[in-house]
Amino acid sequence: SQQGEEDPQALSIQEGENATMNCSYKTSINNLQWYRQNSGRGLVHLILIRSNEREKHSGRLRVTLDTSKKSSSLLITASRAADTASYFCATLRGGSYIPTFGRGTSLIVHP
Amino acid sequence: SQTIHQWPATLVQPVGSPLSLECTVEGTSNPNLYWYRQAAGRGLQLLFYSVGIGQISSEVPQNLSASRPQDRQFILSSKKLLLSDSGFYLCAWSRIGGSTDTQYFGPGTRLTVL
Repeated sequence: SQQGEEDPQALSIQEGENATMNCSYKTSINNLQWYRQNSGRGLVHLILIRSNEREKHSGRLRVTLDTSKKSSSLLITASRAADTASYFCATLRGGSYIPTFGRGTSLIVHP
Repeated sequence: SQTIHQWPATLVQPVGSPLSLECTVEGTSNPNLYWYRQAAGRGLQLLFYSVGIGQISSEVPQNLSASRPQDRQFILSSKKLLLSDSGFYLCAWSRIGGSTDTQYFGPGTRLTVL
């Protein structure tokens, strides 16, 4: 079964706006990671948040984790056209070293 | 620094033909290696992973097989391709024993089976 599920499936915004994507999962995790995929390319790791962390920042990215609700959010502030990509969350369950990826959110940022 | 290569970048093959996709990693030793398939507009499906030379684990029964003849080489194969094998194939590596298990992906191979 799908461990991580992102929503929305697609998001279209104007440059300068903030973009928020959510990820829900079903079982307890060690950490949760967010990846970015430009069209036709491989995935690139963006940020990791551990199960004992609640919030993490990296540049214009802000990730939150609520283990009680089994959910995470990725916020991209002041979006740019270059942020157009698909964003995936990946969860790592306890005892496993293999992350499980969701289906992703497709973000389009209009210039 | 570490790099991961995949080839070919694109491939168009007829149904019933064989397949061989190659992935190599540079700049690290004894990595975990992974093959994923991504259907159009979909998430990643883990196909195979390997924790060492000759050690292959299959996640999904299918028409494909994988081999790891060398520490940093991972090969995805098929004897006879099906239409359903079309997709975007991604190779990835991660550090063995790493506390974060971050995956580092190659550029992918776009396979079209006609």
